[in-house]
Amino acid sequence: KQEVTQIPAALSVPEGENLVLNCSFTDSAIYNLQWFRQDPGKGLTSLLLIQSSQREQTSGRLNASLDKSSGRSTLYIAASQPGDSATYLCAVYGGATNKLIFGTGTLLAVQP
Amino acid sequence: DTGVSQDPRHKITKRGQNVTFRCDPISEHNRLYWYRQTLGQGPEFLTYFQNEAQLEKSRLLSDRFSAERPKGSFSTLEIQRTEQGDSAMYLCASSLAGLSGANVLTFGAGSRLTVL
Repeated sequence: KQEVTQIPAALSVPEGENLVLNCSFTDSAIYNLQWFRQDPGKGLTSLLLIQSSQREQTSGRLNASLDKSSGRSTLYIAASQPGDSATYLCAVYGGATNKLIFGTGTLLAVQP
Repeated sequence: DTGVSQDPRHKITKRGQNVTFRCDPISEHNRLYWYRQTLGQGPEFLTYFQNEAQLEKSRLLSDRFSAERPKGSFSTLEIQRTEQGDSAMYLCASSLAGLSGANVLTFGAGSRLTVL
């Protein structure tokens, strides 16, 4: 059974810092991995999608990496801003399932 | 196309009442998913459809829950005899599943249910 874990559960940093969010999954037979952002009480916003054949994806200040063999992904946020404050969710698709399996998220607070 | 639409966005109901949520997927998408998210947790899979066929249901989907996707277009999720534990955000997603197996889900804004 696929399990997705995110560390840390919560993170508080001062504005301007670079930071890394971690995601690990137990079944490496995935088709893709997505990172989402969720603001309080809102739906999910897709940030980055990494196909299983890819090692990383970049969008602006965000960079996501994927090491499928070790079951790990990281989301790097450069020069954090207070507007980055949100919950960040990692999810994997594929393997033995036809659905996205989510982690419990990392709650990020960027202090001005 | 405006993406995945969900209605209502917020529903407040009394315990024991029935509620129904609607999801309109992206028009060319053949798969439709329902997820439930409680406070502080990641979304949990409930069920999914390929066209009009319901292919998988989670054990979280008790007999008070029923989902339909008539004609393979919009979907409804009905909860009968609501309980306070049903309070959650109900998320819908759709995708175009291909033969390769890769599948990218697009999520709606969600329907928040509060059971008093």
